[in-house]
Amino acid sequence: GAVVSQHPSWVICKSGTSVKIECRSLDFQATTMFWYRQFPKQSLMLMATSNEGSKATYEQGVEKDKFLINHASLTLSTLTVTSAHPEDSSFYICSARDPRGDYGYTFGSGTRLTVV
Amino acid sequence: AQSVSQHNHHVILSEAASLELGCNYSYGGTVNLFWYVQYPGQHLQLLLKYFSGDPLVKGIKGFEAEFIKSKFSFNLRKPSVQWSDTAEYFCAVNAGNAGNMLTFGGGTRLMVKP
Repeated sequence: GAVVSQHPSWVICKSGTSVKIECRSLDFQATTMFWYRQFPKQSLMLMATSNEGSKATYEQGVEKDKFLINHASLTLSTLTVTSAHPEDSSFYICSARDPRGDYGYTFGSGTRLTVV
Repeated sequence: AQSVSQHNHHVILSEAASLELGCNYSYGGTVNLFWYVQYPGQHLQLLLKYFSGDPLVKGIKGFEAEFIKSKFSFNLRKPSVQWSDTAEYFCAVNAGNAGNMLTFGGGTRLMVKP
């Protein structure tokens, strides 16, 4: 089945630094990937839609300059949290839709970011 | 824009009890519907999905869901829960006018007492 790999699983960084999170589709090509944020005990909130070869589409209220998304190939999308602050601490999850078969969505295992 | 509502935020059941989790969505057109489960410390996993056809969908681990178009609902059911079903459950909708985007409900945290 479709597999999405997300790395790193967790990261601790100092306030003011930048962190890059990778999302890879391992056995399929994903022209579109999705980045979600999940606060403790809350649902997933879509942050942006990552489009291969073009600019990402951000949801309302998401700062484009803080959350940089790059989708340079059909199997890799990256989310960079720039100048991170403690309020950016959260669980970030990527997802991709496998275009083969039944078009199911597959989720990465998530990245827990803690900014200290 | 479409929205998804899960009315039960927390559910506590004893083992062998029956489960029904509500999910309602707001979009009136064609929809694809999903239920995902997130076990403690793990990532989201697909339980079942509905695209078309039989509105009663059977998924993994004994779960099923029924799509009732007139009620804009896609409730999740299981006849007899187990302790291992303790997890958070998310309903999600892909509306016909939203491309590939999924909209999630707020989630239901299920605790099954042994």
